Amino acid sequence: DADVTQTPRNRITKTGKRIMLECSQTKGHDRMYWYRQDPGLGLQLIYYSFDVKDINKGEISDGYSVSRQAQAKFSLSLESAIPNQTALYFCATSDYSGGSTDTQYFGPGTRLTVL
Amino acid sequence: GNSVTQMEGPVTLSEEAFLTINCTYTATGYPSLFWYVQYPGEGLQLLLKATKADDKGSNKGFEATYRKETTSFHLEKGSVQVSDSAVYFCALRGGGSNYKLTFGKGTLLTVNP
Repeated sequence: DADVTQTPRNRITKTGKRIMLECSQTKGHDRMYWYRQDPGLGLQLIYYSFDVKDINKGEISDGYSVSRQAQAKFSLSLESAIPNQTALYFCATSDYSGGSTDTQYFGPGTRLTVL
Repeated sequence: GNSVTQMEGPVTLSEEAFLTINCTYTATGYPSLFWYVQYPGEGLQLLLKATKADDKGSNKGFEATYRKETTSFHLEKGSVQVSDSAVYFCALRGGGSNYKLTFGKGTLLTVNP
């Protein structure tokens, strides 16, 4: 079974609709992240959470919100979707234990299309 | 701030050819360096990493050496296979408790039989 899962894997919606993307992990990691991938732009950080009570904005948080329901669950919401939010969205987790590595592990991605 | 620059693709090679994908970085302190691979239709997978200068990361025949003097972390493989066709991302994580991964824009590799 995958350590980091995302649902749905694909979603097509219309402008103005509210959308929630979900992420679950079984790695036991404290840190979780949401990224957006656009062609030719690499990945950009939307939000990150170091634990259930610690949520922070990333580079491109406008138009997005998140909820950390439990250590293992981190949801991304688009309150009113717009076409330029069409992208591939990735969840990631990491376990910072005081070392310098803090490797991030990624889910399979959600492809979102806003019409 | 931190930044990563990797060679633009696409890169097209024949099977068994030698691969190099260049990656250079700008960072303060002592970053950790990573290569991630994204196969078609899939998420990013960690390919290899290095956490300090002169470390060599290796996995699946791929190698990269953390060169602090040239601020580089070039990805190499001696003999590529069709199954290596993917997008490769170089990334760095700042030193200490700095959480943030900074990614390059990715390089598309296509290997033909």
